[in-house]
Amino acid sequence: AQSVSQHNHHVILSEAASLELGCNYSYGGTVNLFWYVQYPGQHLQLLLKYFSGDPLVKGIKGFEAEFIKSKFSFNLRKPSVQWSDTAEYFCAVTTNAGKSTFGDGTTLTVKP
Amino acid sequence: DAGVIQSPRHEVTEMGQEVTLRCKPISGHDYLFWYRQTMMRGLELLIYFNNNVPIDDSGMPEDRFSAKMPNASFSTLKIQPSEPRDSAVYFCASSLGSENSPLHFGNGTRLTVT
Repeated sequence: AQSVSQHNHHVILSEAASLELGCNYSYGGTVNLFWYVQYPGQHLQLLLKYFSGDPLVKGIKGFEAEFIKSKFSFNLRKPSVQWSDTAEYFCAVTTNAGKSTFGDGTTLTVKP
Repeated sequence: DAGVIQSPRHEVTEMGQEVTLRCKPISGHDYLFWYRQTMMRGLELLIYFNNNVPIDDSGMPEDRFSAKMPNASFSTLKIQPSEPRDSAVYFCASSLGSENSPLHFGNGTRLTVT
């Protein structure tokens, strides 16, 4: 069975700081990788996704993620965070059986 | 498209009562997922359907939980009888195709069992 591990439960940054959230997955087959964001009181929304091609993918709002197959990792990055990026971020893996598994989430707090 | 529609948005009920959560997926989407989100356990997959057929219900906590998808545009998650530990936000999500498609989430139902 697949699993997803997000290393940081809570990250606190000041505005303009750089962000990197770690995500590692465990699965022996082909996977598709996603980052979702959940703003306070809202539902999860897609931030970016990877399923083939260039391992560096760009998403909305200046976010990007890099797939490193040898490390089973899909870390999320943003060069300069804003207060409005305060949210919970979820890494997810979907297998070819269509099942999506989510990490425990990382809460990002950006101080103005 | 209106997106994934869940109802009710909030439900407060007493222990022992039956609770029914409803979901309307995005038209044309052939996968439907039910997730539960709590502070303690994060986001847990309860069950998912493909073309109205349950594919994996291994995440359903116990027999008190049941889910149905009678047609492509409607699904229910029922808890009978409900218990305080069932208090959580329940999300429904749908997707088109399978592994390459992102999930589209509804706004969730916040369930409180007293």
